[in-house]
Amino acid sequence: KNEVEQSPQNLTAQEGEFITINCSYSVGISALHWLQQHPGGGIVSLFMLSSGKKKHGRLIATINIQEKHSSLHITASHPRDSAVYICASWIIQGAQKLVFGQGTRLTINP
Amino acid sequence: GAGVSQTPSNKVTEKGKYVELRCDPISGHTALYWYRQSLGQGPEFLIYFQGTGAADDSGLPNDRFFAVRPEGSVSTLKIQRTERGDSAVYLCASSLGSGGYTQYFGPGTRLTVL
Repeated sequence: KNEVEQSPQNLTAQEGEFITINCSYSVGISALHWLQQHPGGGIVSLFMLSSGKKKHGRLIATINIQEKHSSLHITASHPRDSAVYICASWIIQGAQKLVFGQGTRLTINP
Repeated sequence: GAGVSQTPSNKVTEKGKYVELRCDPISGHTALYWYRQSLGQGPEFLIYFQGTGAADDSGLPNDRFFAVRPEGSVSTLKIQRTERGDSAVYLCASSLGSGGYTQYFGPGTRLTVL
């Protein structure tokens, strides 16, 4: 079992729909990152959070430390949101390192 | 300001050859990370530096892989006796510190071993 699991692996939706991507982790973390990767492009950090909720534009990230779970929400989705979304946890048990989920490929159709 | 840069953007080499991949972090960032991303997968941690020293190299797959950061800025990832399985995108990121700091990623170097 991976230390960081994302679901779904692939998600296709229509423009305007509310999107939720989930991330669960199995070990202790100090922070969780949500990253965005466009096809053929680099990775951009969207959020880093260790508790509660953060919002930036149409993007919202939440984390529940007790349940070891985080979600990324996109409101009023748009085709330009199409990308791979990756959650990554900064693991604090043993060697400190960033452990990535496998990514969720999001496609928003017009 | 300038972000993280990586050179070359693409590298094609033959099996058994030696390659060097370079990362220029954001100025002032003390932490630098190397990751590897295979097609369809999330990035995989290789090594990270705090300053000049490798703080954690537990992700390096074997002793063919080595990385240096002699002056605490630019880093070079070195791969000896390349194998076809080394083909991937090698990503570099930097941050102000290690742990809970935002990491800024470079565009990656796509390595293809024939």
